[in-house]
Amino acid sequence: RKEVEQDPGPFNVPEGATVAFNCTYSNSASQSFFWYRQDCRKEPKLLMSVYSSGNEDGRFTAQLNRASQYISLLIRDSKLSDSATYLCVVTGSARQLTFGSGTQLTVLP
Amino acid sequence: EAQVTQNPRYLITVTGKKLTVTCSQNMNHEYMSWYRQDPGLGLRQIYYSMNVEVTDKGDVPEGYKVSRKEKRNFPLILESPSPNQTSLYFCASSLSSGGLSYNSPLHFGNGTRLTVT
Repeated sequence: RKEVEQDPGPFNVPEGATVAFNCTYSNSASQSFFWYRQDCRKEPKLLMSVYSSGNEDGRFTAQLNRASQYISLLIRDSKLSDSATYLCVVTGSARQLTFGSGTQLTVLP
Repeated sequence: EAQVTQNPRYLITVTGKKLTVTCSQNMNHEYMSWYRQDPGLGLRQIYYSMNVEVTDKGDVPEGYKVSRKEKRNFPLILESPSPNQTSLYFCASSLSSGGLSYNSPLHFGNGTRLTVT
């Protein structure tokens, strides 16, 4: 079983739709959680951190469920510019850092 | 402008010909690391460094070397490249020597696409 697993997609959604991705992790001692966004052939960029209480940034909402060991990302009112690959990142002890393989999102006009 | 700079952006080489990919950051970051990204496998860490002269292996270090003689530079060396090292490589840095954390986001360079024939 992979340490961090994501549904690779692709998710094809119309503009204005709401879409959600999940990411599961296997190490219960994982400490911090992030969503990164990666445009085609470009470097990953931090989208948002994921805190225990859940957090929101505009149209984006991130949640953490430690009991079930997953994080989620919800995008409301999807824009064409949201088309990208979304990577979840989990850190653990001893500076361990693990990336998911990414979920591809395409927002269609 | 704060940034992580990698060179070259694209590199095509032949098996066995030594090469170096440079990485430099101007943010006075403690932590630097190298990743390779392959379809379906995501980003995998090759090596990381928590400070000058301190380096350690990541998940896939075989066939690679690194050095950290200065804080700002962290070159990746392939002594004898092979076709299975064809990949997209990213260098990254963060402020804290512990790497990525809520107070210390990871900043990536814009990637090096390497092809080994």
